[in-house]
Amino acid sequence: DGGITQSPKYLFRKEGQNVTLSCEQNLNHDAMYWYRQDPGQGLRLIYYSQIVNDFQKGDIAEGYSVSREKKESFPLTVTSAQKNPTAFYLCASSIDRTDGGYTFGSGTRLTVV
Amino acid sequence: DAKTTQPPSMDCAEGRAANLPCNHSTISGNEYVYWYRQIHSQGPQYIIHGLKNNETNEMASLIITEDRKSSTLILPHATLRDTAVYYCIVRVREGAGSYQLTFGKGTKLSVIP
Repeated sequence: DGGITQSPKYLFRKEGQNVTLSCEQNLNHDAMYWYRQDPGQGLRLIYYSQIVNDFQKGDIAEGYSVSREKKESFPLTVTSAQKNPTAFYLCASSIDRTDGGYTFGSGTRLTVV
Repeated sequence: DAKTTQPPSMDCAEGRAANLPCNHSTISGNEYVYWYRQIHSQGPQYIIHGLKNNETNEMASLIITEDRKSSTLILPHATLRDTAVYYCIVRVREGAGSYQLTFGKGTKLSVIP
């Protein structure tokens, strides 16, 4: 079945370490997105990519980096510059940038200790 | 994008219709209304969207007022599995502007046995 896979589901890291979250889709979607969710809050957009080899900052990009070398993959790196990295991270994709029907992955819960 | 206002929480008896309101009084003519839901610790799921006509699919119905300043998502026969946070989102249809979805805090719907 087509969908988005995020791995791992739970991730623990020590403070000061960079960590990369994986997001893979087999839906042949052009656009991909990364959101962050804190407890009891809505989702905030970190980065998005409308096409391969292109990406733009969202509302809270500081301390994060992304790449889009393949259509299927949009990994997110949480760097040591991110002051409060502990959160639930969600990846999504859509047919193209104008399509509002996003498909979300099941998320990665990152805990930094 | 236009701002939306939703009640923070609602209860609904199992088997009854759940009517979730959303106010978007500043919506413009080129903006769609989208609804998503998020079951605890999962990624959001697309439900339905509309521009100005009422819409229905296998999951829900969307009623948009004639002036488009508010809408209601209707789950006709709520089940325990419908317990989730429901997000109402307004997004530009075409032309200049940001296409990315902005998720607020939504409405926490609790379906009661």
